[in-house]
Amino acid sequence: ETGVTQSPTHLIKTRGQQVTLRCSSQSGHNTVSWYQQALGQGPQFIFQYYREEENGRGNFPPRFSGLQFPNYSSELNVNALELDDSALYLCASSFTGRGEQFFGPGTRLTVL
Amino acid sequence: AQKVTQAQTEISVVEKEDVTLDCVYETRDTTYYLFWYKQPPSGELVFLIRRNSFDEQNEISGRYSWNFQKSTSSFNFTITASQVVDSAVYFCALSPTGANSKLTFGKGITLSVRP
Repeated sequence: ETGVTQSPTHLIKTRGQQVTLRCSSQSGHNTVSWYQQALGQGPQFIFQYYREEENGRGNFPPRFSGLQFPNYSSELNVNALELDDSALYLCASSFTGRGEQFFGPGTRLTVL
Repeated sequence: AQKVTQAQTEISVVEKEDVTLDCVYETRDTTYYLFWYKQPPSGELVFLIRRNSFDEQNEISGRYSWNFQKSTSSFNFTITASQVVDSAVYFCALSPTGANSKLTFGKGITLSVRP
């Protein structure tokens, strides 16, 4: 059974640029959630995708957007990057209704 | 709104000591899930346990045990005979039981186990 994978591992961008992060869900899972974890903080929910539709969103501006594909993999896009977007971005997959979310290793984004 | 409070920020113990990590939560939902995750220095969140709100039985898994008390809205985690490999950040989290399983995390507790 393949776990959750994310790419890239690390990324450095400059303010104002756009970034796309990728996530492959664990085999058998149909739901993907994205979280932002700033240094020294707990993860904050960005949004969740189920059956290719956004299924809940946290307190993040519209420049944070996402996609889910028919194979349940997902992308997180962030436009007009700001310095405060520097964080570890975590993807988690789950099977709807089961509760447990399994996390990938994360993408460390640095915005200069 | 849901909220998770982990009042302890850092704990340091010597190997083989027992240590308890506290978690207090707030929710208006009548049913919910509670979780503990471990985050080692590598950064990946490792799932430890999920507890449903209607199941107040304590659980033991090897050196780990969890004490869920609905009356005090607490879900505490005890590591018995701690080991250096237990050093990590530990997060308590809460989610509704519906289709949108959004996790609300506490700020985490950094546990350092010294040899």
